Amino acid sequence: GAVVSQHPSWVICKSGTSVKIECRSLDFQATTMFWYRQFPKQSLMLMATSNEGSKATYEQGVEKDKFLINHASLTLSTLTVTSAHPEDSSFYICSAGGLAGGPSTDTQYFGPGTRLTVL
Amino acid sequence: GNSVTQMEGPVTLSEEAFLTINCTYTATGYPSLFWYVQYPGEGLQLLLKATKADDKGSNKGFEATYRKETTSFHLEKGSVQVSDSAVYFCALSRSSSASKIIFGSGTRLSIRP
Repeated sequence: GAVVSQHPSWVICKSGTSVKIECRSLDFQATTMFWYRQFPKQSLMLMATSNEGSKATYEQGVEKDKFLINHASLTLSTLTVTSAHPEDSSFYICSAGGLAGGPSTDTQYFGPGTRLTVL
Repeated sequence: GNSVTQMEGPVTLSEEAFLTINCTYTATGYPSLFWYVQYPGEGLQLLLKATKADDKGSNKGFEATYRKETTSFHLEKGSVQVSDSAVYFCALSRSSSASKIIFGSGTRLSIRP
């Protein structure tokens, strides 16, 4: 149990286009999902916290108009990178926190990540 | 604020060697502590966790004990294998899955056959 999927696993796009990344909790419901960015050989940087049915909370320095987050249901959150540029190329990882009665409530479960390359 | 400090890598060991990766934390209250592992090209997997002082988390031969007196959560394994080669992240969060996770910088481990 406690599986989180991401789609796509990798994407290549042209500069100026928008890319949507989906994060799904497959066998549990998650009121809270998190989006991280990871640069090569570095740790994860939290971008935003996404709560179902409300606006995401962005970390300082993250452009909310560039990284649009939607958490439409208890099993799906999406991250849209708008007008992507080469500097947006990175590994994007989501995680999901479980509800009481589901997986452990003190643990987040991570998706496998999406590698974005902007040409 | 809350933070996690872990030993810098890379760490290179021979197969069957003993492994220790040090991790210390700074936090208010009683956070939950985690070790996550990231294999090449993959996302993070929870390796083990401990939610209160003196708890020992264990999985796949790895162990870590929550030491509040030294604010540490060192990762150990008695005999490493080539398949353990990965990046290991120490992390903390408040005791809720809806809380932010604070990650350490990661330690890259390479095991020689």
